[in-house]
Amino acid sequence: SQKIEQNSEALNIQEGKTATLTCNYTNYSPAYLQWYRQDPGRGPVFLLLIRENEKEKRKERLKVTFDTTLKQSLFHITASQPADSATYLCALVYSSASKIIFGSGTRLSIRP
Amino acid sequence: GAVVSQHPSWVICKSGTSVKIECRSLDFQATTMFWYRQFPKQSLMLMATSNEGSKATYEQGVEKDKFLINHASLTLSTLTVTSAHPEDSSFYICSAPGDRGVSYEQYFGPGTRLTVT
Repeated sequence: SQKIEQNSEALNIQEGKTATLTCNYTNYSPAYLQWYRQDPGRGPVFLLLIRENEKEKRKERLKVTFDTTLKQSLFHITASQPADSATYLCALVYSSASKIIFGSGTRLSIRP
Repeated sequence: GAVVSQHPSWVICKSGTSVKIECRSLDFQATTMFWYRQFPKQSLMLMATSNEGSKATYEQGVEKDKFLINHASLTLSTLTVTSAHPEDSSFYICSAPGDRGVSYEQYFGPGTRLTVT
């Protein structure tokens, strides 16, 4: 079965630095890879989507890369702020299955 | 952006009773909705796919007779936890895909915290 690994359960960095989160998967590459933000006790909020034929996608201070050879996606937050502290989830969508598989998440803490 | 609501936001019930959770798409129609369960510090686990006008599709290991799903309209799906037990205590979240289909972003409800005593 498909496995998704976000290899940092928690990440703690200094404000202003770039946060880099990793998402690795096994087996088949998804048609789409998504990143969500989840705050405690709340539902996830969509951030970015990248397709399998795209290498990189940017949105304001966020950047996502997708390497189907390495079976890996990197999620970057530049000029990080304490308000960026949250859990970030990567999610894979396989067009044949029409459902989303979520990773376990990385809890990011930005200290002032 | 699209908004999905859930009701109630939290509920406490006694073991053996049933609890109904509602998921509504407020400003768009959703022929498909998804129900997830999330335990503390764990990721979302898909329980079932709710299809308007037809039976829900359950993931492996999810008891369909225990977690009853009804998607009676294009804006409402309900999840009923029947004969709840303490191990059913969890955070239940629903989502609906954006208008470009399931492969695109999901709009999530705020979640329902269920505690079974």
